[in-house]
Amino acid sequence: RKEVEQDPGPFNVPEGATVAFNCTYSNSASQSFFWYRQDCRKEPKLLMSVYSSGNEDGRFTAQLNRASQYISLLIRDSKLSDSATYLCVVTSGGYNKLIFGAGTRLAVHP
Amino acid sequence: NAGVTQTPKFQVLKTGQSMTLQCAQDMNHNSMYWYRQDPGMGLRLIYYSASEGTTDKGEVPNGYNVSRLNKREFSLRLESAAPSQTSVYFCASSWAGDGYTFGSGTRLTVV
Repeated sequence: RKEVEQDPGPFNVPEGATVAFNCTYSNSASQSFFWYRQDCRKEPKLLMSVYSSGNEDGRFTAQLNRASQYISLLIRDSKLSDSATYLCVVTSGGYNKLIFGAGTRLAVHP
Repeated sequence: NAGVTQTPKFQVLKTGQSMTLQCAQDMNHNSMYWYRQDPGMGLRLIYYSASEGTTDKGEVPNGYNVSRLNKREFSLRLESAAPSQTSVYFCASSWAGDGYTFGSGTRLTVV
């Protein structure tokens, strides 16, 4: 079983739609959680950290459920520029190591 | 611009050749990492260095060696390249516990 699992997609949505991505992780000792965004043939970039209380950054809302070992990302009012792959990331085991999910691809169309 | 710089950006090797991927960061981060990314598999950790002078194996270290030359630089060496090492390699750095900053990647093809 992969340590971090995501639905690979692709999610094809029209502009303005609301889309949600889910992620599960297997290591209950994980302490930190993130969503990264990766554009085609580019490096991953930090989108937002995820906290147990839930957190919001503009159109993006992230939620963490430690009991279920489940992380989500909600994107409201999708823009064409949101088209990318979204990576669910957790810390695992040793010092500051991040474990990446394989990513969920989002395509927003006009 | 501040950040993580990787060289080269592209490389083609013949099976059995060796090469070193270079990585440098100017953010005074303690920790540095090497990942590879293959289609459908996400990023997998090859080696990491929690601080200057230390290195540790990640998930897929076989066929690679690393050197933490100083606080800024962390290199990845392929001693005898194999086609299975065809991948995109990313270097990253972080302050303790925070998210990573990635370099722009090295696209390596082994033929």
